[in-house]
Amino acid sequence: AQKITQTQPGMFVQEKEAVTLDCTYDTSDQSYGLFWYKQPSSGEMIFLIYQGSYDEQNATEGRYSLNFQKARKSANLVISASQLGDSAMYFCAMRARYSGAGSYQLTFGKGTKLSVIP
Amino acid sequence: DVKVTQSSRYLVKRTGEKVFLECVQDMDHENMFWYRQDPGLGLRLIYFSYDVKMKEKGDIPEGYSVSREKKERFSLILESASTNQTSMYLCASSSQDGETQYFGPGTRLLVL
Repeated sequence: AQKITQTQPGMFVQEKEAVTLDCTYDTSDQSYGLFWYKQPSSGEMIFLIYQGSYDEQNATEGRYSLNFQKARKSANLVISASQLGDSAMYFCAMRARYSGAGSYQLTFGKGTKLSVIP
Repeated sequence: DVKVTQSSRYLVKRTGEKVFLECVQDMDHENMFWYRQDPGLGLRLIYFSYDVKMKEKGDIPEGYSVSREKKERFSLILESASTNQTSMYLCASSSQDGETQYFGPGTRLLVL
């Protein structure tokens, strides 16, 4: 069974600094995908970044990058130049079982609450 | 941009009431999902659908049912609401063979 672990319940970062949010995963699949989502206090889950298990390069999307270390089974999110609007819950997720007819399920971690300090 | 909308942001219902939560997506996605989110428990999958009139149970389907009569709309039904169904409900959609799920704004349901 797949499992996602986020060990940091909460993190603080100074505005304009970089921050790393940790995520480790466990799977026996050779092919899998890893995701990060952001959830502000408004509640909406916002897709940030995706990394496929066969991708050789670490994924980047603007200020977000995913530090993918396959042998360690880690997929940490790095946010550069933190902004006040980055304060939110962040969830790591992994593509879980294939449900047939083109449908994948996701397994989510418990999340990390990031607070950006002015 | 993918747009997933949910009928209500906040909902207050009484125990025993029948509750309908509606979700609509405008990207012609085949797959749609309903999750509930509770503090300390994370997101848990209730039901999903990969086609019109098709549905599959997720991890916690008890006390819920779903309906998908049109491709763009996926409804979650609480047949007889109970206080332990007080939660945040999130709808998501993805394309066929697509892995990324796109979420709606969520519905915070309070059952009194």
